[in-house]
Amino acid sequence: GAVVSQHPSRVICKSGTSVKIECRSLDFQATTMFWYRQFPKQSLMLMATSNEGSKATYEQGVEKDKFLINHASLTLSTLTVTSAHPEDSSFYICSARTIQNTGELFFGEGSRLTVL
Amino acid sequence: GNSVTQMEGPVTLSEEAFLTINCTYTATGYPSLFWYVQYPGEGLQLLLKATKADDKGSNKGFEATYRKETTSFHLEKGSVQVSDSAVYFCALEPNNAGNMLTFGGGTRLMVKP
Repeated sequence: GAVVSQHPSRVICKSGTSVKIECRSLDFQATTMFWYRQFPKQSLMLMATSNEGSKATYEQGVEKDKFLINHASLTLSTLTVTSAHPEDSSFYICSARTIQNTGELFFGEGSRLTVL
Repeated sequence: GNSVTQMEGPVTLSEEAFLTINCTYTATGYPSLFWYVQYPGEGLQLLLKATKADDKGSNKGFEATYRKETTSFHLEKGSVQVSDSAVYFCALEPNNAGNMLTFGGGTRLMVKP
């Protein structure tokens, strides 16, 4: 199946710094990528939908100035957590839909952010 | 709104035991239902799906039947293996929602030899 890779898999940063997480589709082109956040023992919560070449669509309650999403190419979307605080510590997961829109989503392995 | 509830884990079983992980949902209309599996250190992978009532999804010995009358999509396997140890997520996609999935909280399965 198609492969989606996230980097970094783990990151620890100081409060107030910004962290960028990359999501790449390795062997297919993705017009749409989705970013999720998962708190311990809780569901994956959709944060935003990232469309190549256009602005991301954010879910209600997600601060777009806090979580900057860029989808500059058909194989890369980035999530930047700006001025991170301890409450931003979480597991962030991306998924991608193929350009052929076959219906199946492919997920990255997730990135664990810890803000000290 | 839409929601998915699945049993909390961890579920610990011995090899060759029977597995059931319960999943119920709340949604309007006729959503598609999915089970995803996440093995340690890997991304979520689609395990099986069902798109309409009474459909049975199956893969790798796992099965789940779309029960609209009970709004359930329980995951079952007759004989688990150590290699089935993973976190399992139940999810739904409303009709024509363009892959906008709503996930359950995940259930960790641990299979002991």
